[in-house]
Amino acid sequence: KAGVTQTPRYLIKTRGQQVTLSCSPISGHRSVSWYQQTPGQGLQFLFEYFSETQRNKGNFPGRFSGRQFSNSRSEMNVSTLELGDSALYLCASSLGASGGDEQFFGPGTRLTVL
Amino acid sequence: QKEVEQNSGPLSVPEGAIASLNCTYSDRGSQSFFWYRQYSGKSPELIMSIYSNGDKEDGRFTAQLNKASQYVSLLIRDSQPSDSATYLCAVAKLIFGTGTRLQVFP
Repeated sequence: KAGVTQTPRYLIKTRGQQVTLSCSPISGHRSVSWYQQTPGQGLQFLFEYFSETQRNKGNFPGRFSGRQFSNSRSEMNVSTLELGDSALYLCASSLGASGGDEQFFGPGTRLTVL
Repeated sequence: QKEVEQNSGPLSVPEGAIASLNCTYSDRGSQSFFWYRQYSGKSPELIMSIYSNGDKEDGRFTAQLNKASQYVSLLIRDSQPSDSATYLCAVAKLIFGTGTRLQVFP
């Protein structure tokens, strides 16, 4: 069974631009979560989607948004990029929306904002 | 606010020793706990999940949960240099600690 895939793997943008990242979960998994990882802040939860609905949201500004499609694939969008948005963006999939479900991570998208 | 606390380390242990990694959490109602390993430049990899008080063993790894004291730990027996990584504790799937860096030296 294929794992979680994320595209693109690397991205370089300039301040003020917007970016869209994509995540395809493990087949059969219906929940997708997104995280931002930086050396200083660790792994920060962005949002979780299940059955095309946002179920949980972390403490990030409205510039960060996401959505999930009927095939469980998910995208996240960051508008008006700032230098501080440079980070590794990870998505993870799990079977369902329960907090007890095991979660599996994709390889991540490394975003650099210049 | 729900929090998960881990000592950032590094925790240095000799090859063959037992490495003990600890994690405390603030939400007394938490029911699900996870340990991940993350190598430098890679994404986190699930090692174990634990839901009940007590020990859960999987190969060289043992997770220990004490809900009354609100801590969960991970023991790595016969530590190998390949175990050198950052170990992340997660509570209720979405809340992660900042991780403990483990260094196993030959």
